[in-house]
Amino acid sequence: QKEVEQDPGPLSVPEGAIVSLNCTYSNSAFQYFMWYRQYSRKGPELLMYTYSSGNKEDGRFTAQVDKSSKYISLFIRDSQPSDSATYLCAMSASGGSNYKLTFGKGTLLTVNP
Amino acid sequence: DTGVSQNPRHKITKRGQNVTFRCDPISEHNRLYWYRQTLGQGPEFLTYFQNEAQLEKSRLLSDRFSAERPKGSFSTLEIQRTEQGDSAMYLCASSLEGGLASEAFFGQGTRLTVV
Repeated sequence: QKEVEQDPGPLSVPEGAIVSLNCTYSNSAFQYFMWYRQYSRKGPELLMYTYSSGNKEDGRFTAQVDKSSKYISLFIRDSQPSDSATYLCAMSASGGSNYKLTFGKGTLLTVNP
Repeated sequence: DTGVSQNPRHKITKRGQNVTFRCDPISEHNRLYWYRQTLGQGPEFLTYFQNEAQLEKSRLLSDRFSAERPKGSFSTLEIQRTEQGDSAMYLCASSLEGGLASEAFFGQGTRLTVV
């Protein structure tokens, strides 16, 4: 079993839809939870970052972390064609290994105009 | 200096050849990381430098791979005797000393194709 599981999709939605992306993980040491967006043939760019459990909102994006279930989510409201990309969840532990990211496989999202 | 710079962006090489990639981090960043991303997968951690010291190497980094950061600024990743399984995107990231993994910025990557 991989430390981080993410459904690779692909996911196709109409413009304006609410998108829900999810990851599960097995390592209880993970304390930092990130979502990255990666356009084709580009490097990942950080979208959202959450420490421990809870919600965080930034514009159309909401990140949720439920440590008791080892489950994280990213919601995109009013999705736009420009949101079409691969979304990667990533996690890191606290303490000495806080520099190392463990990624999910990524979910390919297409938002259709 | 607007971000992490990687060169070349794309490299095609024949199996058995050696290749070297370069990463120029954001100038004030002490930490530098290399990740590898194969098709359909997320990036996987390869190695990490703090200044010129290589502090961790993943078991993914076989003895054909070597990374250096000689003056604590740019870094190189060399792959000797390339194999088709080495075909991947090689990503470099950098962050400030003491910074969290979430504070690392990624470059655009070097896409390696071994034919």
